[in-house]
Amino acid sequence: EAQVTQNPRYLITVTGKKLTVTCSQNMNHEYMSWYRQDPGLGLRQIYYSMNVEVTDKGDVPEGYKVSRKEKRNFPLILESPSPNQTSLYFCASSLISGTGIYEQFFGPGTRLTVL
Amino acid sequence: DQQVKQNSPSLSVQEGRISILNCDYTNSMFDYFLWYKKYPAEGPTFLISISSIKDKNEDGRFTVFLNKSAKHLSLHIVPSQPGDSAVYFCAEYGAGGSNYKLTFGKGTLLTVNP
Repeated sequence: EAQVTQNPRYLITVTGKKLTVTCSQNMNHEYMSWYRQDPGLGLRQIYYSMNVEVTDKGDVPEGYKVSRKEKRNFPLILESPSPNQTSLYFCASSLISGTGIYEQFFGPGTRLTVL
Repeated sequence: DQQVKQNSPSLSVQEGRISILNCDYTNSMFDYFLWYKKYPAEGPTFLISISSIKDKNEDGRFTVFLNKSAKHLSLHIVPSQPGDSAVYFCAEYGAGGSNYKLTFGKGTLLTVNP
């Protein structure tokens, strides 16, 4: 089954404790991306990657890191989480066309709470 | 400044009637528009898209209209069904010369009443 998986689905942590949210896709997509969803703010892009070792900032990259060492994986790293990073996080992937990206497939989300 | 605006946070319609969800954008460089649907506790799922070279795209009960002069996008659902109740996001890519950065609106919660 074609899918995007995220782990963990739920996480409660404390300020300053480094964490990683994993994302994996089995569709051989070049493009992967991370979003956060907050009430009243919709979905905002954190980082995206167009291929292995190619990453770029989205609209809200501060406080986050990403890496793309393999095509299928795109982990999101919070080196020193803070309460304002409490949010619902989504990973997504898609193919890349000559003029842009195709429709993105989203993972089920990771609910992160930073105390 | 918000580049993709969904000014109605919620919409309620009766089953069988038409649902119209609206989206306005500010940047004429946008190339491609998409609509996503999101149920609680799930990731968004792609619904329908439209290229800026078209003014209409239809897929079953879902039709998207693009009015470039008004910088306005709308999604029509006919007939509406209770299972359509979800949050709908419009999104675009192509702004600022980047065809690889996707920007979403804040979403509209659609409730279809039986």
